[in-house]
Amino acid sequence: SAVISQKPSRDICQRGTSLTIQCQVDSQVTMMFWYRQQPGQSLTLIATANQGSEATYESGFVIDKFPISRPNLTFSTLTVSNMSPEDSSIYLCSHTRAGGELFFGEGSRLTVL
Amino acid sequence: QQQVKQSPQSLIVQKGGISIINCAYENTAFDYFPWYQQFPGKGPALLIAIRPDVSEKKEGRFTISFNKSAKQFSLHIMDSQPGDSATYFCAATGGSNYKLTFGKGTLLTVNP
Repeated sequence: SAVISQKPSRDICQRGTSLTIQCQVDSQVTMMFWYRQQPGQSLTLIATANQGSEATYESGFVIDKFPISRPNLTFSTLTVSNMSPEDSSIYLCSHTRAGGELFFGEGSRLTVL
Repeated sequence: QQQVKQSPQSLIVQKGGISIINCAYENTAFDYFPWYQQFPGKGPALLIAIRPDVSEKKEGRFTISFNKSAKQFSLHIMDSQPGDSATYFCAATGGSNYKLTFGKGTLLTVNP
């Protein structure tokens, strides 16, 4: 699988601010996804990052809160906007191969005070 | 609503024992069932996966058993080791969108 790097790996942010998480893959991939994992919980899909077009968001997630970019086949960003303590989570970038296997980065651990 | 139900929530096994985690799904369109292993502070790592055309898949000490008619699948870890202590997630997806639906996870502890 392609290696996924996320930055930052962790951050502590103040309420009301925004943070952009970067995801870099070391080879071109077809599909990239952003997941959220709240403390002690399972993984929930936020959106599919579409190359060159607007992301496709899952129910309960909106572009104004989680704007996503994907300018090329190896890079994507997720912004968490106007953060509140409820946004404290691990945000995970992932990509898939043609066979459907999904691979994750190490995640970005966000704490909102 | 697409769901994957996972049990148990936590599991304690002695070293050398067999760990068994179960999952059930509802959507008959699901056709790919992976298991992920997650250590604290790490992202989930793909462990093993199965498609419905087979009833069992084995990779080393890890085996997936799949029952299509019951819409259930399970992970068996043979000769469990303390290094297997982690959270395990089952998941499922179907079609070409590759969007995974995850179970709630099982915290496995293997005692020495």
